[in-house]
Amino acid sequence: QSALTQPASVSGSPGQSITISCSGTRSDVGTYNLVSWYQRKAGEAPKLMIYEVTRRPSGVSNRFSGSKSGNTASLTISGLQAEDEADYYCCSYAGSIAVIFGGGTKLTVL
Amino acid sequence: QLQLQESGPGLVKASETLSLTCTVSGGSISSNGYYWGWIRQPPGKGLEWIGSVYYSGSTFYNPSLKSRVTMSVDTSKNRLSLKLTSVTAADTAVYYCAGARVDFWSGKHHFLDPWGQGTLVTVSS
Repeated sequence: QSALTQPASVSGSPGQSITISCSGTRSDVGTYNLVSWYQRKAGEAPKLMIYEVTRRPSGVSNRFSGSKSGNTASLTISGLQAEDEADYYCCSYAGSIAVIFGGGTKLTVL
Repeated sequence: QLQLQESGPGLVKASETLSLTCTVSGGSISSNGYYWGWIRQPPGKGLEWIGSVYYSGSTFYNPSLKSRVTMSVDTSKNRLSLKLTSVTAADTAVYYCAGARVDFWSGKHHFLDPWGQGTLVTVSS
């Protein structure tokens, strides 16, 4: 299975909204509503931010939202804050008992 | 609140077996519906799912690693283990363990949560 495709980097100013895309195929993102997103800050454990495309775990800010259209999933962060600066990874179930990740996107808050 | 901590040798010789342990605290590793997964990230590359294991021993492995991977759970010590045989430099990575919500019969993986902080394993020649 090939990795999901994410932009290497995105940036935004405090208060703005940004969207990170996650491009897959009909075999993964396009078929299964099992896309999740993870935030990883330097020196910390990765943190689940979105699961099952749109669901937000308890304790995650409602500034984070997820969506999907066709073979592409997206993570949107609204009201950008300095604390959101991190690496973000998408993940999808890909059938045949396989789980695949995106290459990661570095978010810079200007 | 569940917490996971990986441990093991930071340096492994090529052709040998990489062995890691993940200790679970704040809850039982035998919790219903919870699988336990291993994920790795080679330097400069993205994350790669290695596999997932249930406390009963049921496993799902990444097809690309399946021939070299063994995962198991020790319920008495509340920990899981990973063994990867015949390692090469390509196995150099930060290795993470994580809780995994998985449909038991279909194997559909919903998400990974929580994660450990990861441990770097370097394969030397």
